Amino acid sequence: AQSVTQLDSQVPVFEEAPVELRCNYSSSVSVYLFWYVQYPNQGLQLLLKYLSGSTLVKGINGFEAEFNKSQTSFHLRKPSVHISDTAEYFCAVSPSKAAGNKLTFGGGTRVLVKP
Amino acid sequence: DAMVIQNPRYQVTQFGKPVTLSCSQTLNHNVMYWYQQKSSQAPKLLFHYYDKDFNNEADTPDNFQSRRPNTSFCFLDIRSPGLGDAAMYLCATSRGGSYSNQPQHFGDGTRLSIL
Repeated sequence: AQSVTQLDSQVPVFEEAPVELRCNYSSSVSVYLFWYVQYPNQGLQLLLKYLSGSTLVKGINGFEAEFNKSQTSFHLRKPSVHISDTAEYFCAVSPSKAAGNKLTFGGGTRVLVKP
Repeated sequence: DAMVIQNPRYQVTQFGKPVTLSCSQTLNHNVMYWYQQKSSQAPKLLFHYYDKDFNNEADTPDNFQSRRPNTSFCFLDIRSPGLGDAAMYLCATSRGGSYSNQPQHFGDGTRLSIL
């Protein structure tokens, strides 16, 4: 079984400032890692994913994340946020050896970008 | 554009009156998922279809059923909605099998209200 913990439920940040959203996971098997963004009244959109290889992953909208196996973390970062980045962000994992890719989500982090 | 479409976006039903939510996809993905998402919470997987095989989550109430008549369509039936079933319902698709590293693609959801 897998579990995902997003350490911050809400992160207020000023426009053009950097932001980091923390994600830690627990799993008895190897996993793939994902970050999704959810804008109000919309579904989830994939920001980026880590499957293997380089531990620094770049995604859409200027986001990147770093996989740290020893710390079982997958923190998301953006060097300069825009008002349009106001949304909820979900970290998720799926077992890498399973035929299906069932996701286990963290509780989400709500980012509020202030002018 | 290939996509996942959910209809309707907003659904209002009466307490105890059966309701059906629909999802269609043009991605030709073999796996389809239904999630329930309550306010300020992470999506919770209800069940998924791997091709024609139905996979129920252990804690999904019997009140929730699903049908997948073909690859493109999947339905969520709530037989006797209670007030606690008011939520956003998200449909997602992915390629399964050897493609277990493929991300899920989400629709924009149906927000269900119970009167």
